[in-house]
Amino acid sequence: DGGITQSPKYLFRKEGQNVTLSCEQNLNHDAMYWYRQDPGQGLRLIYYSQIVNDFQKGDIAEGYSVSREKKESFPLTVTSAQKNPTAFYLCASNPGVNQPQHFGDGTRLSIL
Amino acid sequence: AQSVTQPDIHITVSEGASLELRCNYSYGATPYLFWYVQSPGQGLQLLLKYFSGDTLVQGIKGFEAEFKRSQSSFNLRKPSVHWSDAAEYFCAAPNNNDMRFGAGTRLTVKP
Repeated sequence: DGGITQSPKYLFRKEGQNVTLSCEQNLNHDAMYWYRQDPGQGLRLIYYSQIVNDFQKGDIAEGYSVSREKKESFPLTVTSAQKNPTAFYLCASNPGVNQPQHFGDGTRLSIL
Repeated sequence: AQSVTQPDIHITVSEGASLELRCNYSYGATPYLFWYVQSPGQGLQLLLKYFSGDTLVQGIKGFEAEFKRSQSSFNLRKPSVHWSDAAEYFCAAPNNNDMRFGAGTRLTVKP
């Protein structure tokens, strides 16, 4: 079945450490997205990519970085510059403009 | 900027009762609108979508939504709620190259 796979499901970060969240899709979608979800705040867009080797900052990109070297993959790195990284992170993709997004099952990041 | 608003943060209904979750949108042209559901610790699942045409849209799990241009609303409804419907519900709409989500409505179902 086609879908989006996020790994790991749970991740712990030490002080000063960078961590990378994986997102892989086999839906052949061009566009991919990363969201951060905090209780009571809905979904906030971190980064998105419309095509391979291109990506744009979303509303809360500071302290995060991404790459898009392959169509299937859109990893998110939470850098040590992100001072409050504890959250639920969701990856999504969609097949085109104005189409609904498909979501992975998320990664929960916590601080040790 | 295009936006969607969900006025209700939390709603409690009894099992078997009817449900209506509110969503208001702010758009200039005919909008594309979606409803998603999220169970705890999981991703979002698409319930239904509105592109154009019939203003009453049927979705999965017995849900429907009605687009009302005069009220700028796209409310989600279900005639009889089941305990398994307890979850968070998000209204959403495309905004240029990304998606704008409402803040979500958490649904609690009483036995």
